[in-house]
Amino acid sequence: DTAVSQTPKYLVTQMGNDKSIKCEQNLGHDTMYWYKQDSKKFLKIMFSYNNKELIINETVPNRFSPKSPDKAHLNLHINSLELGDSAVYFCASSHGGSTIETQYFGPGTRLLVL
Amino acid sequence: GEDVEQSLFLSVREGDSSVINCTYTDSSSTYLYWYKQEPGAGLQLLTYIFSNMDMKQDQRLTVLLNKKDKHLSLRIADTQTGDSAIYFCAEKGNTDKLIFGTGTRLQVFP
Repeated sequence: DTAVSQTPKYLVTQMGNDKSIKCEQNLGHDTMYWYKQDSKKFLKIMFSYNNKELIINETVPNRFSPKSPDKAHLNLHINSLELGDSAVYFCASSHGGSTIETQYFGPGTRLLVL
Repeated sequence: GEDVEQSLFLSVREGDSSVINCTYTDSSSTYLYWYKQEPGAGLQLLTYIFSNMDMKQDQRLTVLLNKKDKHLSLRIADTQTGDSAIYFCAEKGNTDKLIFGTGTRLQVFP
């Protein structure tokens, strides 16, 4: 009965590869997000989707492409992985448009690029 | 631009109170949040406060908001070893995105 789930939990890959991280929420939320947490624990938003439409796109390299097949899923595809992409990637979701806008986070995907 | 700052470390003795501070710059903040991150885990929402409130209490947690000074604090009463974690404050302005602070690593020793 996990609210926000991510797969895989750990991902170790070589520089230059292409990888995807998947996120699913069963909370019935309309809005989903991707955040990146670097080695110093700084958390920063990357993308936000509302009902499958992109609404926030921070300054993120074009190698990162989010895809939302339906409002319960938001996947993150990364092309040509670089060493600096090593981080923990968190997915989150919220109602979107509600007064509280509390975001619920997934457990994170730990990406290590070698 | 929006900026949220926290002190990086706090060390307290078990049973004492912990106070974690946060300052932010966005005057249009509507909600402010405290999240907890245990080692190797995701972020857990602890509590939130609406920007027109001064204080919110929830069991051992007390949130104080000074909107004039753009200062937010989280007080944990009777701190336990299980409270050891990184605590993030976050603010939400007019957009859907959360701006997170740098995180405060709380260490509780016996």
